[in-house]
Amino acid sequence: KQEVTQIPAALSVPEGENLVLNCSFTDSAIYNLQWFRQDPGKGLTSLLLIQSSQREQTSGRLNASLDKSSGRSTLYIAASQPGDSATYLCAVPGANNLFFGTGTRLTVIP
Amino acid sequence: DAGITQSPRHKVTETGTPVTLRCHQTENHRYMYWYRQDPGHGLRLIHYSYGVKDTDKGEVSDGYSVSRSKTEDFLLTLESATSSQTSVYFCAISDRGLGGYTFGSGTRLTVV
Repeated sequence: KQEVTQIPAALSVPEGENLVLNCSFTDSAIYNLQWFRQDPGKGLTSLLLIQSSQREQTSGRLNASLDKSSGRSTLYIAASQPGDSATYLCAVPGANNLFFGTGTRLTVIP
Repeated sequence: DAGITQSPRHKVTETGTPVTLRCHQTENHRYMYWYRQDPGHGLRLIHYSYGVKDTDKGEVSDGYSVSRSKTEDFLLTLESATSSQTSVYFCAISDRGLGGYTFGSGTRLTVV
């Protein structure tokens, strides 16, 4: 069974810092990887989707990379803002399911 | 997300009563899923559908049933609600291709 781990579990940074969230997965036979954001009491918002043939994807201040061979993905957030405070989840698809990481709870301090 | 809606958004029900949650999509995706999210357990798959009238169980399917009579609608039924089914329920859709998964806004269910 695919296992997805995210480090760190929680992160607190001052506004303006660049930061990196890490995601690792045990089965490298994936066809894509997706990063989500979840605000407290809200649903999951898709941030970035990286296909297995891609190395990275960018959207605004967010950049996600994928290294299938090592079973790792990183989400880079540039110039963090208080509005970035949320839980970030990475997820990889299985045959009939989406395997989620344990999440990183990010707090950006004004 | 505009392409997927869940109803109701909130519901309080009594133990032993049946409850039906609805997921509606406008994306014409073949695959639809029901998850529950609980503190300490993350998101767990309840049931999924791979086409009209084609459904299968996920990892936490006991006490739940689903139906999909149209491509756009996927219903989750709690046959006899229990307090352990108090949770936030999310529906998701996928084309299993380039689009990834899209989640609904969730239904917060409280069983008293």
